[in-house]
Amino acid sequence: GEDVEQSLFLSVREGDSSVINCTYTDSSSTYLYWYKQEPGAGLQLLTYIFSNMDMKQDQRLTVLLNKKDKHLSLRIADTQTGDSAIYFCAERKLAGGYQKVTFGTGTKLQVIP
Amino acid sequence: ETGVTQSPTHLIKTRGQQVTLRCSSQSGHNTVSWYQQALGQGPQFIFQYYREEENGRGNFPPRFSGLQFPNYSSELNVNALELDDSALYLCASSLSWGPTNSGANVLTFGAGSRLTVL
Repeated sequence: GEDVEQSLFLSVREGDSSVINCTYTDSSSTYLYWYKQEPGAGLQLLTYIFSNMDMKQDQRLTVLLNKKDKHLSLRIADTQTGDSAIYFCAERKLAGGYQKVTFGTGTKLQVIP
Repeated sequence: ETGVTQSPTHLIKTRGQQVTLRCSSQSGHNTVSWYQQALGQGPQFIFQYYREEENGRGNFPPRFSGLQFPNYSSELNVNALELDDSALYLCASSLSWGPTNSGANVLTFGAGSRLTVL
């Protein structure tokens, strides 16, 4: 299947950690990405992880990948009001001779001051 | 290094009309992908161009067509517009070494063109 699933909404208090979860269905995915979209804007790449890695850390961001369960998560430490946005996970796989990137439905993160 | 630019940013059309959206790739990128993002949804893959040819297509009808030019810029054309075509259309460029390349192939997105069909 091609579905990449995410929970729709997450609310956290400023200073807390946020964890956004994603489930993908294709075990042949090579790269998995996290993008951020602010209102009225395009998508901004936050981070990505190669499928043979379990974890990647980049400043306040930690990505965990459980390939067995096809589960990807993004942890944002010390969440700030500027982190309020919609977060999309995406998987990349070879499909019919080209590299296809499929996005999830997005998780809206609300940060309460 | 310039990013991805799209034009126009907003436009309104009526049912049955045709529209052309334009995209300039990030410098050094040779692959362009187009996505449709309906309100409250994730981006849906329309098609991808590499070396001026379409090399991948999502579940969109033939009235969605495109072009890629020698400078890697691209157009998305939609004929016979329908109300459900109202959406944000996103262009993304990337550097690809071909269909089976093993690079990260990170997509860099433009801000999008918001199309409203009345």
